[in-house]
Amino acid sequence: SQTIHQWPATLVQPVGSPLSLECTVEGTSNPNLYWYRQAAGRGLQLLFYSVGIGQISSEVPQNLSASRPQDRQFILSSKKLLLSDSGFYLCAWSVRPETQYFGPGTRLLVL
Amino acid sequence: AQSVSQHNHHVILSEAASLELGCNYSYGGTVNLFWYVQYPGQHLQLLLKYFSGDPLVKGIKGFEAEFIKSKFSFNLRKPSVQWSDTAEYFCAVNAEGNNRLAFGKGNQVVVIP
Repeated sequence: SQTIHQWPATLVQPVGSPLSLECTVEGTSNPNLYWYRQAAGRGLQLLFYSVGIGQISSEVPQNLSASRPQDRQFILSSKKLLLSDSGFYLCAWSVRPETQYFGPGTRLLVL
Repeated sequence: AQSVSQHNHHVILSEAASLELGCNYSYGGTVNLFWYVQYPGQHLQLLLKYFSGDPLVKGIKGFEAEFIKSKFSFNLRKPSVQWSDTAEYFCAVNAEGNNRLAFGKGNQVVVIP
């Protein structure tokens, strides 16, 4: 069966520091991969998605970037974090566009 | 682009009460519709989905949803809730063939024993 991992689970970082969040999927090949940010009372906002290695689509202009160095690995990064980057980040995968399956999330607090 | 509206962000009800959560979307073409649930401290997980066919969809844990195309709605229902249904519920929509899921803002449901 397929599983999705995210780490770290929780992260506290100072403003201006770099960021790297990792997401990996097991048990499937060539999945579509997604990064979302979830804010209380505001639902989920799609940040990036990828249909293959090195293929990244950005949905919202921001301080973040994404990369897909391997088929089942998706990384969310920032060179310099802002206070507004605090939030709950979710990774998801699908093998068809329609049904997405979510990871446990990373809670990021920027101080 | 599609958008999704969920009203009554906070819902509090007693066990055995009936639950209905509204979901309306804006998109004129063919859509796929989803309800996701996030229990306290757990992953966001799929509750049910509609792609085509019978507009009344049965999901896990006694939930169902009805797609009404003329009303652009996909409301979630459960006839008798339990304390364990306390969770946040999200409606999501994507245009057929599109990679993007548009989510509503969610309904925080609290069931009092």
